[in-house]
Amino acid sequence: KNEVEQSPQNLTAQEGEFITINCSYSVGISALHWLQQHPGGGIVSLFMLSSGKKKHGRLIATINIQEKHSSLHITASHPRDSAVYICAVRPYSGGGADGLTFGKGTHLIIQP
Amino acid sequence: NAGVTQTPKFQVLKTGQSMTLQCAQDMNHEYMSWYRQDPGMGLRLIHYSVGAGITDQGEVPNGYNVSRSTTEDFPLRLLSAAPSQTSVYFCASSYSRDRGASPLHFGNGTRLTVT
Repeated sequence: KNEVEQSPQNLTAQEGEFITINCSYSVGISALHWLQQHPGGGIVSLFMLSSGKKKHGRLIATINIQEKHSSLHITASHPRDSAVYICAVRPYSGGGADGLTFGKGTHLIIQP
Repeated sequence: NAGVTQTPKFQVLKTGQSMTLQCAQDMNHEYMSWYRQDPGMGLRLIHYSVGAGITDQGEVPNGYNVSRSTTEDFPLRLLSAAPSQTSVYFCASSYSRDRGASPLHFGNGTRLTVT
């Protein structure tokens, strides 16, 4: 059974700090998604990646397929980055009925 | 460009009542799905559809019905609400029928309370 583990579960940091959120999974995958959910708000897709690295503004996502691990980095963090960050993977087989297995999320708070 | 529109935003039901959560997308996406989100748990799939006229069950389908008569709309029906269905519900769509192979677009969620 595929497990998706995110760490840390909760993270509080000061504005300006460099943030790293980790996602580990247990089976071979064809894609990994990073999602952002603001308090009381909807969910936004940040990245979908299958290898290497992607960058959008201050957000960087990396994936190491061999180690079954992905990281989401936020540079020069800002209070508006406060949100829950969710990792989801698309296994080659055995994923959820829609092909995705979700982590439980990392709750990030950036203090001014 | 509306994206995925989900209504209502909040709803309170009494046990045994029925209701329909509406979901519409204007991106001509083939794939649509409904998730529920509960504290301490990841998103869980209720039902999904890979095109008009095609629906299938997800991980937690009991107590819910769906239909997909058009590409744009994918309503979720609660047949007889139970307190265990208190949750936040999200509708999502994506371009590809190949599930999980393209980015998901989510609605803003419906917070449902069943008393």
